[in-house]
Amino acid sequence: GQNIDQPTEMTATEGAIVQINCTYQTSGFNGLFWYQQHAGEAPTFLSYNVLDGLEEKGRFSSFLSRSKGYSYLLLKELQMKDSASYLCAVREGDYKLSFGAGTTVTVRA
Amino acid sequence: TAGITQAPTSQILAAGRSMTLRCTQDMRHNAMYWYRQDLGLGLRLIHYSNTAGTTGKGEVPDGYSVSRANTDDFPLTLASAVPSQTSVYFCASSEGDRGSDTQYFGPGTRLTVL
Repeated sequence: GQNIDQPTEMTATEGAIVQINCTYQTSGFNGLFWYQQHAGEAPTFLSYNVLDGLEEKGRFSSFLSRSKGYSYLLLKELQMKDSASYLCAVREGDYKLSFGAGTTVTVRA
Repeated sequence: TAGITQAPTSQILAAGRSMTLRCTQDMRHNAMYWYRQDLGLGLRLIHYSNTAGTTGKGEVPDGYSVSRANTDDFPLTLASAVPSQTSVYFCASSEGDRGSDTQYFGPGTRLTVL
């Protein structure tokens, strides 16, 4: 099974940077995903890491350390539209994902 | 493209009644999944299917059943609904390869069991 931990809530100012941490425990790590979910909507894919290091996609970056069971999602130049929940998910073995409870990010003007 | 569609969008159901939530994808994905999402608990896997004709149990399968007669459709049935099944249900699909295998989610069904 999985144990995936991420903070419940974070607040930041428009234009700032926010880092959302995710720690996990697994016996057969096979990839880590970050999803974004706006209120009342479906989750949408943001990033995927399977090797250690940083993956950058525009204003969003995701980092993975497999030895530490640790990942973070970095959101730069925050915009109001970035207010959403961010879900960390770990794949162990085949295709199934286990999700953390999500981090709600509120961006304030 | 439609991607993944779910029906109904929302439903109020009396306890003890049965209901089938529908999910259809047009991406020819091999794998499909059903999750429920509850406040503070995140997404939890109910059932999944790696390919047409096969299904498997997820983290919270009790009270639910699924079938996968073809590639496109993956209905979820509640045989006798209970109030604890009040939740938002998301269907998802993925190509089912062993690479990044991103899951794509449908818009969800909001179910209330009274």
